[in-house]
Amino acid sequence: QQQVKQSPQSLIVQKGGIPIINCAYENTAFDYFPWYQQFPGKGPALLIAIRPDVSEKKEGRFTISFNKSAKQFSLHIMDSQPGDSATYFCAASMEYGNKLVFGAGTILRVKS
Amino acid sequence: KAGVTQTPRYLIKTRGQQVTLSCSPISGHRSVSWYQQTPGQGLQFLFEYFSETQRNKGNFPGRFSGRQFSNSRSEMNVSTLELGDSALYLCASSWGTSRGYTFGSGTRLTVV
Repeated sequence: QQQVKQSPQSLIVQKGGIPIINCAYENTAFDYFPWYQQFPGKGPALLIAIRPDVSEKKEGRFTISFNKSAKQFSLHIMDSQPGDSATYFCAASMEYGNKLVFGAGTILRVKS
Repeated sequence: KAGVTQTPRYLIKTRGQQVTLSCSPISGHRSVSWYQQTPGQGLQFLFEYFSETQRNKGNFPGRFSGRQFSNSRSEMNVSTLELGDSALYLCASSWGTSRGYTFGSGTRLTVV
């Protein structure tokens, strides 16, 4: 119940494409769902986050879609660029929680 | 503002030895969390400290321990190192919850 399942494991898109990464969870006590971006040799950096009372959130080229009934959420990257090539992690935590449960990660490569 | 600083960046240790890793959080942050990142298990929560007290602990053996000092700096110790402890160890600081985590760049530990 503590798991967050992420897919796909890896993804290759052309520049300008819209990669979509999906995550699913079981624990309905989760109420905070962030996405992190990690470049080689660096720690994960927070990209965007959503709470379950919102179905969609946009920040720049990054959009989270959230489906509470299906217990799924996804990250869309609009107009993807080679600089977006990185590993992306979804995560979840409980209200006022002090730990994150991470998905397994998706390695994204954007071809120029 | 200065980010989360982890030292050292790289470590090579022999099986059976012990190791201490250090994390200096962002100024003002009172919570420090530690995560282990491996290709096989992904990002896994080790423990979290807030105001010098361990508030939460993940599912790791007792060989993994930590502490936090009055200036919020934290150390993590691994005793009797095993080959499987080879990983990137990340710390994250925040005001108090997992929302708004800022991660450091990690310490890459290799056990030989």
